[in-house]
Amino acid sequence: KAGVTQTPRYLIKTRGQQVTLSCSPISGHRSVSWYQQTPGQGLQFLFEYFSETQRNKGNFPGRFSGRQFSNSRSEMNVSTLELGDSALYLCASSLLGPAREQFFGPGTRLTVL
Amino acid sequence: AQSVTQPDIHITVSEGASLELRCNYSYGATPYLFWYVQSPGQGLQLLLKYFSGDTLVQGIKGFEAEFKRSQSSFNLRKPSVHWSDAAEYFCAVGSTGTASKLTFGTGTRLQVTL
Repeated sequence: KAGVTQTPRYLIKTRGQQVTLSCSPISGHRSVSWYQQTPGQGLQFLFEYFSETQRNKGNFPGRFSGRQFSNSRSEMNVSTLELGDSALYLCASSLLGPAREQFFGPGTRLTVL
Repeated sequence: AQSVTQPDIHITVSEGASLELRCNYSYGATPYLFWYVQSPGQGLQLLLKYFSGDTLVQGIKGFEAEFKRSQSSFNLRKPSVHWSDAAEYFCAVGSTGTASKLTFGTGTRLQVTL
């Protein structure tokens, strides 16, 4: 079974631009979560989607948004990029229900110049 | 609010030596606990998890962890470290509602000397 895939793997943007990252979950997984990883803040939860609905949201500004499609694929968007948005963005998928571990993709490395 | 503390930022061990990585958590109920490993430039790989039952859990790559409720700890152990174990290790606690929101510790970077 294929793992979680994320595209693109690397991105370079400039301040003020916007960016869209994509995540394809493991087949059969309907929950997709996004995390931001930076050296200073570590791993922080962004949001989680299930059945095209956002179920949980972390403490990030409204510039960070996401969505999920009917095939469970998910995208996250960051508008008006800031230098501090430079990070590794990780997507994770899991089966529905409690006590379900999350499987992570390789991440998208975003650099904002 | 849930939180995770990994007191050791960096640990160096010799190949073949035993390893213990510390993790303390704060959570109001019985938590879901996880250990993940991350190699440079890679995503996170699940090593093991604790949901309930036996407090000693076995994972992949010869790792194990013990849940101690009285100490709010979930330490990761390996009896004999291999050079390929060099990586960063993250302890995480999941919300018991869905376990889909994970709160991570700051990580412990493991260096293995030959």
